[in-house]
Amino acid sequence: DAKTTQPNSMESNEEEPVHLPCNHSTISGTDYIHWYRQLPSQGPEYVIHGLTSNVNNRMASLAIAEDRKSSTLILHRATLRDAAVYYCILRRLDQTGANNLFFGTGTRLTVIP
Amino acid sequence: EAEVAQSPRYKITEKSQAVAFWCDPISGHATLYWYRQILGQGPELLVQFQDESVVDDSQLPKDRFSAERLKGVDSTLKIQPAELGDSAMYLCASSWWTGDTDTQYFGPGTRLTVL
Repeated sequence: DAKTTQPNSMESNEEEPVHLPCNHSTISGTDYIHWYRQLPSQGPEYVIHGLTSNVNNRMASLAIAEDRKSSTLILHRATLRDAAVYYCILRRLDQTGANNLFFGTGTRLTVIP
Repeated sequence: EAEVAQSPRYKITEKSQAVAFWCDPISGHATLYWYRQILGQGPELLVQFQDESVVDDSQLPKDRFSAERLKGVDSTLKIQPAELGDSAMYLCASSWWTGDTDTQYFGPGTRLTVL
């Protein structure tokens, strides 16, 4: 299974940008890069995903390296509500239809007021 | 906004007892997942359904765990008998596909404590 590597924890000051890195050196051409986050005592929630090009949505931006071996989730202005565990996940549909999925331990983001 | 529903939210049981968790996915989502999340770790997939069929249950401990989605809508995950090591958060998610990938929507989870 293709796996990702993320820092265990990061801190950011409120209202400043946050760049959350993810390494995925064994990524294959059909793997999508997904980011989910999990707020305390809640189920994970989808943040963003991409394949090759950088992506933007209302929550965040995803910057994907040209060789696709790493990516960065960008929160443009961190708020206290962004304090969560952020998971970088590679999504691949295999021949059986199973969605190979590996959450890892994620990055715990602390936002300092 | 539509949500994935799970019940109960909390369950305390004694070891060797049977427990069951229920999940109602977002309407129209054909794919349903059950995950287990041990404190301090990321969720781990237990079973994946496509409509009423099991697509992947390779990580489901089949000697004590069972899952069903009889009509391809809601689903039940059962543990019998429960063991101390089963204490965890059990998460249900549903998804729809857009081309070659999907977006999963998670429920609030059921926190199981086995005494």
